[in-house]
Amino acid sequence: GENVEQHPSTLSVQEGDSAVIKCTYSDSASNYFPWYKQELGKRPQLIIDIRSNVGEKKDQRIAVTLNKTAKHFSLHITETQPEDSAVYFCAASRGGGADGLTFGKGTHLIIQP
Amino acid sequence: DVKVTQSSRYLVKRTGEKVFLECVQDMDHENMFWYRQDPGLGLRLIYFSYDVKMKEKGDIPEGYSVSREKKERFSLILESASTNQTSMYLCATLGVLASSYNEQFFGPGTRLTVL
Repeated sequence: GENVEQHPSTLSVQEGDSAVIKCTYSDSASNYFPWYKQELGKRPQLIIDIRSNVGEKKDQRIAVTLNKTAKHFSLHITETQPEDSAVYFCAASRGGGADGLTFGKGTHLIIQP
Repeated sequence: DVKVTQSSRYLVKRTGEKVFLECVQDMDHENMFWYRQDPGLGLRLIYFSYDVKMKEKGDIPEGYSVSREKKERFSLILESASTNQTSMYLCATLGVLASSYNEQFFGPGTRLTVL
């Protein structure tokens, strides 16, 4: 089955700086790669996703890049703000998520004031 | 707004008990999922269903079963609870509208403790 590795497990950055979280996947048939944000005590929420026919996607301060050859994808957050503090999960799926997602273990992002 | 609700926020059970966790969604979505979330392990897929009475095993189905008698309701069953099933259980449903296509909408979670 699919295996998703996520690094780092904890990331501390100064407010206003950029943050990058990286994931690798094992199943070359995976075609859908979402990122979820989970604030303390809350449910995970989708923040951005990318499909295998696209190399990069951007939404305001967040962007995701995908390298299918190397089987890795990354989340980039620019101009970080205190409300970006949360746990971020990457995930991968073969069927656009219809058969469930395989998640990475999560990255705790800490924004230092 | 998509609404996914779970029957309990907190549950304490004893080893060997049969436990039912229920999830209800109000958007007529076909695909529903059960995950467990443990610190340092992320979310792991237990079972999923793409239609009434249909079920598929996820990555960690051992010790669990599911039931989907109605489209809006998906139940997770622990046949004989064990301490290693102490966890946060999250139900999810899959968006189908263009604005939320492929998005998984999660319930608030049930924190289960097995003593």
